[in-house]
Amino acid sequence: GAVVSQHPSRVICKSGTSVKIECRSLDFQATTMFWYRQFPKQSLMLMATSNEGSKATYEQGVEKDKFLINHASLTLSTLTVTSAHPEDSSFYICSASPPGGNTEAFFGQGTRLTVV
Amino acid sequence: DQQVKQNSPSLSVQEGRISILNCDYTNSMFDYFLWYKKYPAEGPTFLISISSIKDKNEDGRFTVFLNKSAKHLSLHIVPSQPGDSAVYFCAATYVSSYGKLTFGQGTILTVHP
Repeated sequence: GAVVSQHPSRVICKSGTSVKIECRSLDFQATTMFWYRQFPKQSLMLMATSNEGSKATYEQGVEKDKFLINHASLTLSTLTVTSAHPEDSSFYICSASPPGGNTEAFFGQGTRLTVV
Repeated sequence: DQQVKQNSPSLSVQEGRISILNCDYTNSMFDYFLWYKKYPAEGPTFLISISSIKDKNEDGRFTVFLNKSAKHLSLHIVPSQPGDSAVYFCAATYVSSYGKLTFGQGTILTVHP
């Protein structure tokens, strides 16, 4: 299957600082990528759709000013958690699908964010 | 509003027996369904999928069944192996969504030797 790489795999930051998470499609170009968040023992909840060359589309209840998404190229999307607080601590995962209308999504390894 | 539901939080099965994981959905617009396997602190790994025009798809030990009238799908694993122990997520999407998924809550499968 296709490869999606996410970095870093885990990060600890202080309250008030910002953290950037990268998501790369390694062997295909992705005009659309997705960012999910998973709380402990819960489902993966879609946060936003990252669109190459245009603004991201955020799901209801997700603060676009807190979770900044940039999709600068066809292989890279970044999620920046701004002014992080302990309640932002979670597992963040990105996904992408190879072109061709494929609905099978491939996921990155995930990033465990801990805000202290 | 939980559009995709996995009502069994956990399932325990003996090695060699069949594991059956269930999933229900409420949105009749979904036309493509997927199962993912996930370990803690890792991203989900794709297992198998099924289009709404089919009622069964098989890949090795994994078979997914879809009952559109009941809005229900199930994943059968046979024979189950200890390495299958993980969290299994059911997901639903639209063919035109380019991979935007709605997930169920997950079912923890434990296969005992």
